[in-house]
Amino acid sequence: DGGITQSPKYLFRKEGQNVTLSCEQNLNHDAMYWYRQDPGQGLRLIYYSQIVNDFQKGDIAEGYSVSREKKESFPLTVTSAQKNPTAFYLCASSVRDRGVNQPQHFGDGTRLSIL
Amino acid sequence: DAKTTQPPSMDCAEGRAANLPCNHSTISGNEYVYWYRQIHSQGPQYIIHGLKNNETNEMASLIITEDRKSSTLILPHATLRDTAVYYCIVRGTGFQKLVFGTGTRLLVSP
Repeated sequence: DGGITQSPKYLFRKEGQNVTLSCEQNLNHDAMYWYRQDPGQGLRLIYYSQIVNDFQKGDIAEGYSVSREKKESFPLTVTSAQKNPTAFYLCASSVRDRGVNQPQHFGDGTRLSIL
Repeated sequence: DAKTTQPPSMDCAEGRAANLPCNHSTISGNEYVYWYRQIHSQGPQYIIHGLKNNETNEMASLIITEDRKSSTLILPHATLRDTAVYYCIVRGTGFQKLVFGTGTRLLVSP
């Protein structure tokens, strides 16, 4: 079945350590997104990519980095510069059809905690 | 993006229709109404979207008022698995981030 796969489901980070969250989609979607969700709050956009080898910062990009070397993959690295990384991270993708951005579809998320 | 207003919580009996309202009085002509839901500890799930006509799919129906200032998501026969937070979002057709408000927490009870 087509979908978005995020891994791992749970991740623990030590102080000063970089960690990478995986996001893979087999929907042939051009655009991919990373959001962060804190308890009881809405989603905040970290980075997004509308095409391979191109990506833009969202509202809270500091302390994060991404790459988009393949259409189906959009990994997110949480660097040691991100001082409050504990959150639920969500990856999404969408397709543009006849000039209209279609709904974003989400993976099941990665829950990151600090040891 | 236009701002949306939803009730914080609603209850529904299993098997009955759940009608979730959303106000979006500042919606502009090219903005769509989207509905998502999020079950605890899972990613948001797309439900339905529409511009001005009523829409129906296998999950739900979306009723948009003629002036487009409000809409209602209808789950025709709610089940326990429909217990979730439901988000109403208004956005245009270009690239835009999804802005999730606080949503409506729907509790479906036996």
